[in-house]
Amino acid sequence: AQKVTQAQTEISVVEKEDVTLDCVYETRDTTYYLFWYKQPPSGELVFLIRRNSFDEQNEISGRYSWNFQKSTSSFNFTITASQVVDSAVYFCALSGKETSGSRLTFGEGTQLTVNP
Amino acid sequence: KAGVTQTPRYLIKTRGQQVTLSCSPISGHRSVSWYQQTPGQGLQFLFEYFSETQRNKGNFPGRFSGRQFSNSRSEMNVSTLELGDSALYLCASSTGGVSTDTQYFGPGTRLTVL
Repeated sequence: AQKVTQAQTEISVVEKEDVTLDCVYETRDTTYYLFWYKQPPSGELVFLIRRNSFDEQNEISGRYSWNFQKSTSSFNFTITASQVVDSAVYFCALSGKETSGSRLTFGEGTQLTVNP
Repeated sequence: KAGVTQTPRYLIKTRGQQVTLSCSPISGHRSVSWYQQTPGQGLQFLFEYFSETQRNKGNFPGRFSGRQFSNSRSEMNVSTLELGDSALYLCASSTGGVSTDTQYFGPGTRLTVL
């Protein structure tokens, strides 16, 4: 069965610090997709990135970067120079043929608090 | 393009009642999925609809049901409400509903059962 683990329940940093959110996944699929979503206090899940299992290139988007390592089944997310507006719950998620359709398996989420 | 919309945003019901939640997907999206989010269980998949057919179902009792209309709008119904049904219900839409698709979420409906 598919599983996503986010071991860090809560992280608190001071503004401008770099922070890395960990994500480890399990799946029997050879083709699968990994996602990160941000959930601010308003509740809506905001899509951040999608990565397929064949593309292990790291990606950078502004202050955000993602490190996908298939060998360790990890898909970590780093925020550089964090800002107060980055405070939210961040979810890592997985989809693949094992669960068919576009069904997402989510991790438990990491609550990030960025203090001024 | 307008995002996913959900109505109502907040609901308060009592045990034993039933409730219907509505979701309008992004224009052109044909797949709608529903998720339940609670502090104890996290985000759990309820079901997915594509072209008016339920294509995938999570591990929830039969009290939870849904449907999709020809315009891709979807409704979710919970009958005989229990206290444990209090949750944020999130709807997500995607284009074709395969694992390659990205799901875009609405703001959710927060249901409180008293």
